[in-house]
Formats: sequence, C-alpha cells, structure tokens
Amino acid sequence: KQEVTQIPAALSVPEGENLVLNCSFTDSAIYNLQWFRQDPGKGLTSLLLIQSSQREQTSGRLNASLDKSSGRSTLYIAASQPGDSATYLCAVRQGGSEKLVFGKGTKLTVNP
Amino acid sequence: NAGVTQTPKFQVLKTGQSMTLQCAQDMNHNSMYWYRQDPGMGLRLIYYSASEGTTDKGEVPNGYNVSRLNKREFSLRLESAAPSQTSVYFCASSEWKDSYNSPLHFGNGTRLTVT
Repeated sequence: KQEVTQIPAALSVPEGENLVLNCSFTDSAIYNLQWFRQDPGKGLTSLLLIQSSQREQTSGRLNASLDKSSGRSTLYIAASQPGDSATYLCAVRQGGSEKLVFGKGTKLTVNP
Repeated sequence: NAGVTQTPKFQVLKTGQSMTLQCAQDMNHNSMYWYRQDPGMGLRLIYYSASEGTTDKGEVPNGYNVSRLNKREFSLRLESAAPSQTSVYFCASSEWKDSYNSPLHFGNGTRLTVT
C-alpha cells in the first residue's frame, strides 16, 4: 500500500528565505506526483504536476523535483513571502490507477 | 470559469438524517472524485468516477453512496448520518486520457457537522 509522508509537519521561516519542503513515498511505481497549496477554509490549488518521466517542473518561484528511484520529491520556494503561508500537500498517482494518495501536508508560516 | 462548484458550503445534521452533497464541474473532465479531510488523517478518497456512468469505491466508502448524474455532476449521499461523518468534504475533477493526466482541480469544500 502506497504511503506518502511529509516532513516537517510545520515550518516557520522569516520572509525572504529560500526553503525546501519534502515528500517521500513508499512505492516508486507512480504515474505522477502533484504539489498542492491549501489556504485555511479553502480547497486545494494545484501548484505543479510532475510526470513520472520528468525530473522537475518550475512555475515562477516554485520548483519541484522528483526522484522516483529513491521515492522522494522536493518543493523549493525561492524568496519566500508572507503570502506563501499555507499548507502544502503532495500526492502521488499510482500507475494505472485513478486514485491519488495524499500526504498530510506541511504547514508553512512566513513571518514578515 | 467556475471550475468545481460544491453546494452547500456548510451543513449541520442530526444523527440519522440524510443529505446529498452536490458537485458540478465545467471543465469537461472525465474523472470526478469525493474526498474527506479530517485533522490528523489527511485527505481520504471516498468514491470516484472515471467516466460518466461508472463509479468505484475509494478508501473509505462505508456510509456513503454516489451518483454520476452526467459528465458535469457527481453527487455524494449520506443515507443515515453519523457523528463519525463530521468532516470537510471536497469534490475534485481531472482529465485522464491516454498518456495525458491533468492536475486535480478541487472545489472549496462542504463543512459538515453531525450532532
């Protein structure tokens, strides 16, 4: 059974810092991996999707990498801002499956 | 472009009451999903529908039923609500066609309390 783990559960940083969020998964037979952002009381917003054949994806100040063989993904946020404060979740889709398995998220606080 | 729309946003039920959560998407996606989110448990899949006319159980289907009314709409029904079903419910959709897989798009959720 696929398990997705995100460490740390919470992270607090000063504004302007570059930071890395981690995601690990136990079964490397994935189809893709997605990173989401969730603001309090809101739904999830997709940030980046990495197909299993890709190594990384970039969008603005965000960069996500994928190492399937080691079962790891990282989300790099450059020059963090208070508006980046949210919970970040990763999810993996197994090959041949419709289902996504989610991690429990990392709650990020960026202090002005 | 509305994306994924869920109704209602909030609901309070008494134990044993029934209700239907509605979800509609306007992105012409084939696949639709219902998740519940609980503190400390993360997001868990209740049911999903890979295409119009098909539905399948997810991780936690007990106590729920679903209907894929058409390509746009996917409803979740609680026949006899229990306090354990107090949660935030999210509907989501995505495109799944050959080798292309779109990101998952979520609605804003329904906050359900069962007393």
